[in-house]
Amino acid sequence: QVQLQQWGAGLLKPSETLSLTCAVSGESFSAHYWSWIRQPPGMGLEWIGEIDHSGGANYNPSLKSRVTIFGDTSKNQFYLKLRSVAAADTAVYYCARAYCSGCKLDYWGHGTLVTVSS
Amino acid sequence: DIQMTQSPSTLSASVGDRVTITCRASQSISSWLAWYQQKPGKAPKLLIYKASNLESGVPSRFSGSGSGTEFTLTISSLQPDDFATYFCQQYNNYYTFGQGTKLEIK
Repeated sequence: QVQLQQWGAGLLKPSETLSLTCAVSGESFSAHYWSWIRQPPGMGLEWIGEIDHSGGANYNPSLKSRVTIFGDTSKNQFYLKLRSVAAADTAVYYCARAYCSGCKLDYWGHGTLVTVSS
Repeated sequence: DIQMTQSPSTLSASVGDRVTITCRASQSISSWLAWYQQKPGKAPKLLIYKASNLESGVPSRFSGSGSGTEFTLTISSLQPDDFATYFCQQYNNYYTFGQGTKLEIK
């Protein structure tokens, strides 16, 4: 059974860098594709980007200039960094798995609320 | 960018009702569409993939149809556990989600 456990700092000040970790259990990180998605309070879902098993990454063009997603196969984990955060980046952030590129997102983490406030 | 538009935004219904939610894509996405159910404080749960395929473990009262730009999610007989928010998502070109449909108890 694939499980995604995520964590990271929950309160940031404007201009700081958001950092989240997603730990994969039940299968190897070296297979499949791994995404980050966010959901502002009371709003819809926005895909942030994905990383594949070889370390290649694809990003939402609207966030591409501030986002880095990378992985560590030795720890079976992947990471999200979002630079220069603002109040508009306040959201619940989810990690998720796709079996392949362009496949359904079938396993999700529980979500991490990140609040940006001065 | 592929835009996804759901309707209605809110739907009031009773246990036992048959309900349908519609999702439209701004351009053809073939059948690369998924439906998710989300409850407050929880991650989305995959219900339907490739427009009409039921994810393992999902009750058969859920069904999906459509292709190209028009898609529907139907719940044949609402159960108390079904009152939640539903999102469509295209995965023809990365991922884009609809804005959600909140299914409320009438």
